[in-house]
Amino acid sequence: AQSVTQPDIHITVSEGASLELRCNYSYGATPYLFWYVQSPGQGLQLLLKYFSGDTLVQGIKGFEAEFKRSQSSFNLRKPSVHWSDAAEYFCAVGPSKGGGNKLTFGTGTQLKVEL
Amino acid sequence: DAGVTQSPTHLIKTRGQQVTLRCSPISGHKSVSWYQQVLGQGPQFIFQYYEKEERGRGNFPDRFSARQFPNYSSELNVNALLLGDSALYLCASSLTEGGSTYEQYFGPGTRLTVT
Repeated sequence: AQSVTQPDIHITVSEGASLELRCNYSYGATPYLFWYVQSPGQGLQLLLKYFSGDTLVQGIKGFEAEFKRSQSSFNLRKPSVHWSDAAEYFCAVGPSKGGGNKLTFGTGTQLKVEL
Repeated sequence: DAGVTQSPTHLIKTRGQQVTLRCSPISGHKSVSWYQQVLGQGPQFIFQYYEKEERGRGNFPDRFSARQFPNYSSELNVNALLLGDSALYLCASSLTEGGSTYEQYFGPGTRLTVT
């Protein structure tokens, strides 16, 4: 069964500092990988996705993520955090073959940005 | 273009009652998935429908049911509500159910409170 682990429940960074949110997954083959962001009371917004090819993927709002097969990781990064980035971030994995569109999410990382 | 819409926004029900939640996908999207997000956790997959057929079901009791209409909108029904059903219910749409059009777009959710 597929699973996702986000080891950091809460992270606090200063505005302008760099950010890395960790994500580890368990899946039998190369999965489809996603990062979503959720602001309070809102739905989920897709930041970026990895299907295949280049292991460094660029997303919206200046975010990027790197797929590392050997480490089963898909960490999210941003070189300089803005106060508006404060939100909850979810990593998700989906089946690359069959299995429909089911996404399995991690428990999320709550990002706080200090001014 | 309008995104995924869900109604109602908020709902308060009593234990034992039944509830129906509605979702309209992005125009042209044929797949709708439902997720339950309990406070402090990541979304959990409930159902996926594609072309009006159920394509996937998560680990939820039979009290949960759904359907998709010819216009690709969808309803999620929950019978015999329990306190534990209190959650944010998210609907996601995607163009198809696989391949490079896999990415799912989420609506703002329906906040269900069971008292």
